Amino acid sequence: EAGVVQSPRYKIIEKKQPVAFWCNPISGHNTLYWYLQNLGQGPELLIRYENEEAVDDSQLPKDRFSAERLKGVDSTLKIQPAELGDSAVYLCASSSLAGGGNEQFFGPGTRLTVL
Amino acid sequence: GDSVTQMEGPVTLSEEAFLTINCTYTATGYPSLFWYVQYPGEGLQLLLKATKADDKGSNKGFEATYRKETTSFHLEKGSVQVSDSAVYFCALSLIYNQGGKLIFGQGTELSVKP
Repeated sequence: EAGVVQSPRYKIIEKKQPVAFWCNPISGHNTLYWYLQNLGQGPELLIRYENEEAVDDSQLPKDRFSAERLKGVDSTLKIQPAELGDSAVYLCASSSLAGGGNEQFFGPGTRLTVL
Repeated sequence: GDSVTQMEGPVTLSEEAFLTINCTYTATGYPSLFWYVQYPGEGLQLLLKATKADDKGSNKGFEATYRKETTSFHLEKGSVQVSDSAVYFCALSLIYNQGGKLIFGQGTELSVKP
């Protein structure tokens, strides 16, 4: 079974530029999460989707961050414009309620560097 | 608010040494508790979990017991190997079986020397 796929793995951009990250969850997983992981810290939730609905986006900085999950499968996280402080690893995870609930499977992450 | 606190790293051990990584939590309800491991260059992997008080999670020689009275979930392994070198994250979730978010500690880096 394929795991959670994320792309790109690495991205380097200049500040004020836009950037987008893509995530393909495990097949059949209806819950999708985006986490932000700063260097030396644990991940923090940005947004959680149940199917195509964003059910928890309270930690998403909506002035510059946006996300979508069309058709309840793949998801895209966008930053526009990027700031220096956005340099971090962006993790995508998915879980299946049918599979026992809250065991989340993580992708390898996208490491963003903003210059 | 809800939070997780782990012992600071890095932790450096010799092969076959005993490992303990302390984890304590603060939660308003009855959380499920998890240990995740992150090997260099890889994503987070679930190592073990426990969903109620006195449960013991175990996997790959690692164990952790859910202690409600001390609000702790310490990770232990009797004999570490070089391949156990990684960053270990303790986490809690308050909405088991409903896809709730994970709240992580800051992570503890483990380095095992031959």
